[in-house]
Amino acid sequence: EIVLTQSPGTLSLSPGERATLSCRASQSVTSSLAWYQQKPGQAPRLLIYDASNRATGIPVRFSGYGSGTDFTLTISSLEPEDFAVYYCQQRSNWPPLTFGGGTKVEIK
Amino acid sequence: EVQLVESGGGLVKPGGSLRLSCAASEFTFSTYSMSWVRQAPGKGLEWVSSITSSSSYIYYADSVKGRFTISRDNAKNSLYLQMNSLRAEDTAVYYCARKGFLDLLTYWYFDLWGRGTQVTVSS
Repeated sequence: EIVLTQSPGTLSLSPGERATLSCRASQSVTSSLAWYQQKPGQAPRLLIYDASNRATGIPVRFSGYGSGTDFTLTISSLEPEDFAVYYCQQRSNWPPLTFGGGTKVEIK
Repeated sequence: EVQLVESGGGLVKPGGSLRLSCAASEFTFSTYSMSWVRQAPGKGLEWVSSITSSSSYIYYADSVKGRFTISRDNAKNSLYLQMNSLRAEDTAVYYCARKGFLDLLTYWYFDLWGRGTQVTVSS
């Protein structure tokens, strides 16, 4: 099973600041990694797929980068609606499909 | 509106059973693989099970294998999860999710989610 480790657990930032979230895989997932955003009481929303492709309707301030075992999600300038929990997910070697433990981006 | 709506959750005793349903609307359900993903209270996301469009392939997480059964009825645009021998650790919000159709290709990510249904296993 591929384990995804996200860091940091919590990121405290102010609106307008840049957020950089990390996801590390226990073995290579090539570029087969996605990022989701989840707000309290809501279902997750797909942001990025295959490491760097934005899903439909996702603002350009969200970008993904990486391959192999190390991936980053960057939010270039935080908007108030971006404060949420973010999860990565791999599809490279499954079952099982696996998710990271999440990074909470909170208002400083 | 393109959407998934889960139902069937509730409070059940350990060892009991529950059947979840997911109703799909405004997309061609029969052409999509579907999955169940759960989230325990205050925890992260956990993949539970997936089924391909014609039910040819079915996959389960080890944590539910032998206890849960995924199925679908394409004529009714519906996905199901039969959950037997429920345990306290199965307590979670259960989401129905669609395999991603992105840039004309399909990927085992999830591009459409329902709002979830709460399952609580407690005596």
